[in-house]
Amino acid sequence: DAGVTQSPTHLIKTRGQQVTLRCSPKSGHDTVSWYQQALGQGPQFIFQYYEEEERQRGNFPDRFSGHQFPNYSSELNVNALLLGDSALYLCASSFRVSRGETQYFGPGTRLLVL
Amino acid sequence: DAKTTQPNSMESNEEEPVHLPCNHSTISGTDYIHWYRQLPSQGPEYVIHGLTSNVNNRMASLAIAEDRKSSTLILHRATLRDAAVYYCILRDGGGADGLTFGKGTHLIIQP
Repeated sequence: DAGVTQSPTHLIKTRGQQVTLRCSPKSGHDTVSWYQQALGQGPQFIFQYYEEEERQRGNFPDRFSGHQFPNYSSELNVNALLLGDSALYLCASSFRVSRGETQYFGPGTRLLVL
Repeated sequence: DAKTTQPNSMESNEEEPVHLPCNHSTISGTDYIHWYRQLPSQGPEYVIHGLTSNVNNRMASLAIAEDRKSSTLILHRATLRDAAVYYCILRDGGGADGLTFGKGTHLIIQP
């Protein structure tokens, strides 16, 4: 059983560009959450997708958007990249209905903005 | 999610027990206490969670104070592979929302 997978593992972009990160959830999971982790900090919640809709959003600007596909996989898009967007982007999957459910994290995509 | 307070770092010796504290004085009655850890160069991984009673699993034990304003994650016999950042997180019992991470405790294990 494959866990949460993310692609690519590393990415280098320049300011102003756009980036798309991808996530495949753990088998049986229907909910995907995205987090941003700056160096030396804990992960910060960006948003969560369930049933192909954004269900909850953290304190991130509209430059951050996402999508969930019918097979539950998800994409995170970031437009007009800033130097401060350099971070590890983590995807987590879960089964929404479960009370207090555990989130399973992928290894992350490390984005460097130059 | 309510706020938690953890020490920035702790150090322990290999094969000794480790007690990682977490204060959550504003916890509500429906908040579960979750612990995640993040090994170097990996995503966070679930460790354990509980509501009121102490909990045990193959990875660790969770001791919850009677007033629920604090809790302690116990690693019974630390190994070098337990060196990680440990996060204590409160989560509403009915919630399926995103997790609110703090800075966590950086656990250093000495051989």
